[in-house]
Amino acid sequence: AQTVTQSQPEMSVQEAETVTLSCTYDTSESDYYLFWYKQPPSRQMILVIRQEAYKQQNATENRFSVNFQKAAKSFSLKISDSQLGDAAMYFCAYRDDKLIFGTGTRLQVFP
Amino acid sequence: NAGVTQTPKFQVLKTGQSMTLQCAQDMNHNSMYWYRQDPGMGLRLIYYSASEGTTDKGEVPNGYNVSRLNKREFSLRLESAAPSQTSVYFCASRSTYREQFFGPGTRLTVL
Repeated sequence: AQTVTQSQPEMSVQEAETVTLSCTYDTSESDYYLFWYKQPPSRQMILVIRQEAYKQQNATENRFSVNFQKAAKSFSLKISDSQLGDAAMYFCAYRDDKLIFGTGTRLQVFP
Repeated sequence: NAGVTQTPKFQVLKTGQSMTLQCAQDMNHNSMYWYRQDPGMGLRLIYYSASEGTTDKGEVPNGYNVSRLNKREFSLRLESAAPSQTSVYFCASRSTYREQFFGPGTRLTVL
């Protein structure tokens, strides 16, 4: 079965510091997509970053970057220069048609 | 562009009542999805529609029906609501670049 695991229910970081959120997944497929979504208290699901499995280069979007380790089936999200507005639930998701989500990591940002 | 819209935003039902959640997208996407989100969990796929005229079951379809009315609209119906269907429901559509865009969600409570 295809599963996504986020082993950190909660994380915290100080403003301007860097934090890494972990995600592992299980699949037998070789070509797929991975995503990180942010869900602030408003409940809106916002795409943060995506990675195509066939690309070896790690995706980067401004202060957000991923460490994609295909062989280890690991897909972590690094947030640099954390801001108060980064506080939210973060969900890792696998595939692109029928998304499979992890259980989420709640990120707190302290001033 | 409004993106993905959902109505209503909130709803309270009594056990056994029926209702339809409405979803529309104005991005000309072919694929549309219905997910539910329960406390402490990520989103789980209820039903999806890969194109106008087609629908398919997701991970948790029991107790739900869907209609893909046209390319823009994808509705979710609860024929006889149960307390286990208390959840937040999200509609999404998928672009050709694989990204899923989510609506703002509907918070449904079944008493």
